[in-house]
Amino acid sequence: EPEVTQTPSHQVTQMGQEVILRCVPISNHLYFYWYRQILGQKVEFLVSFYNNEISEKSEIFDDQFSVERPDGSNFTLKIRSTKLEDSAMYFCASSAQQSGGSGYTFGSGTRLTVV
Amino acid sequence: AQTVTQSQPEMSVQEAETVTLSCTYDTSESDYYLFWYKQPPSRQMILVIRQEAYKQQNATENRFSVNFQKAAKSFSLKISDSQLGDAAMYFCAYRSVESNYQLIWGAGTKLIIKP
Repeated sequence: EPEVTQTPSHQVTQMGQEVILRCVPISNHLYFYWYRQILGQKVEFLVSFYNNEISEKSEIFDDQFSVERPDGSNFTLKIRSTKLEDSAMYFCASSAQQSGGSGYTFGSGTRLTVV
Repeated sequence: AQTVTQSQPEMSVQEAETVTLSCTYDTSESDYYLFWYKQPPSRQMILVIRQEAYKQQNATENRFSVNFQKAAKSFSLKISDSQLGDAAMYFCAYRSVESNYQLIWGAGTKLIIKP
């Protein structure tokens, strides 16, 4: 069964450093998403991406965040200057349809720890 | 704005028995999708079951079924013949098709399976 692949599975970084979280969505999917889950809290939407541009973003997705699809397969989330409160599980997801009928397929997540 | 509420932080069930997890949501929309996701200790987010709001028939996937009550805005998950591998966090999620496409999540219910 097709999978969404995320790397690395765990990243530790110092406060103020830049990190790039990588995702390889399912090959025929067109819509891509990033969510995050701070330990013990709800899953939160960050951003959705379609046709090489952001289609929607949340209040969390401020100027320190950016997304990119640099080649035809990878989908990256960059955090420019990490803060302690960025420590969370970051999930990438993709879907074939924007209407959501097929549901999302999630990756296994990247655990980001900012120290 | 839409909200999703899971009122049971934790539930436990004896192996082989049946358990029902509750989810209610608030929306003014008539068309939307509802999902149940499972998050085992590995923290991967796995789609369990989905329901289209315009379908009256309750969705079923093997041992998993939902009781979708649109008027009551209720979307409970029933797990029959519970197995040890069902132990996980279960999240209810809502997705609009009219205004935006992000998933809106409940806080989750931790399901414990007693052997």
